[in-house]
Amino acid sequence: DTGVSQNPRHKITKRGQNVTFRCDPISEHNRLYWYRQTLGQGPEFLTYFQNEAQLEKSRLLSDRFSAERPKGSFSTLEIQRTEQGDSAMYLCASNLDVEETQYFGPGTRLLVL
Amino acid sequence: AQSVTQLGSHVSVSEGALVLLRCNYSSSVPPYLFWYVQYPNQGLQLLLKYTSAATLVKGINDFEAEFKKSETSFHLTKPSAHMSDAAEYFCAVSIFRNQGGKLIFGQGTELSVKP
Repeated sequence: DTGVSQNPRHKITKRGQNVTFRCDPISEHNRLYWYRQTLGQGPEFLTYFQNEAQLEKSRLLSDRFSAERPKGSFSTLEIQRTEQGDSAMYLCASNLDVEETQYFGPGTRLLVL
Repeated sequence: AQSVTQLGSHVSVSEGALVLLRCNYSSSVPPYLFWYVQYPNQGLQLLLKYTSAATLVKGINDFEAEFKKSETSFHLTKPSAHMSDAAEYFCAVSIFRNQGGKLIFGQGTELSVKP
């Protein structure tokens, strides 16, 4: 069990650029979650997948954000036309749909200049 | 709707002293409750969870928490603080069987441990 992995760990970009993050869940987990954590705050739910289906999206997920999980394994989160307010830690978590505990990756820290 | 309030954004204790981190929740249905710990530049690690079994829950590293429905609380305690306990602690609630089990987090409490 290698745990949840996220790449890259850090990303610095200029305002207006597009960025994409990747999350690899624990291999047998069918649920995958994305959260955003700004400085000094708790994580906030963005979206989740069961297998390849995206079942819920938060109102925080504006139309500049898109997430995919094409084969029910890894997931990508893309932010288009980044804004300074997008600067945050983006956390991925996974689990089986029969368990309540979510297992978190180390996060991708995004800084938009 | 569910929500979590953590009382005190910063708590400082001396090494060997009791740790008490406060969490109150709001939920219209019986919740599942969690405490996670986050070390700098890392993800979240589960300390313990309440899932409607025993109200006193024991977790890793001698942490424990008690679910008190009448007080809508789930406070985290540890009898004797270690320097290595210095971190950010998050309380979270979920309605597991509905809403996909998404977690609603409090704003966090930073624990400092003085030698």
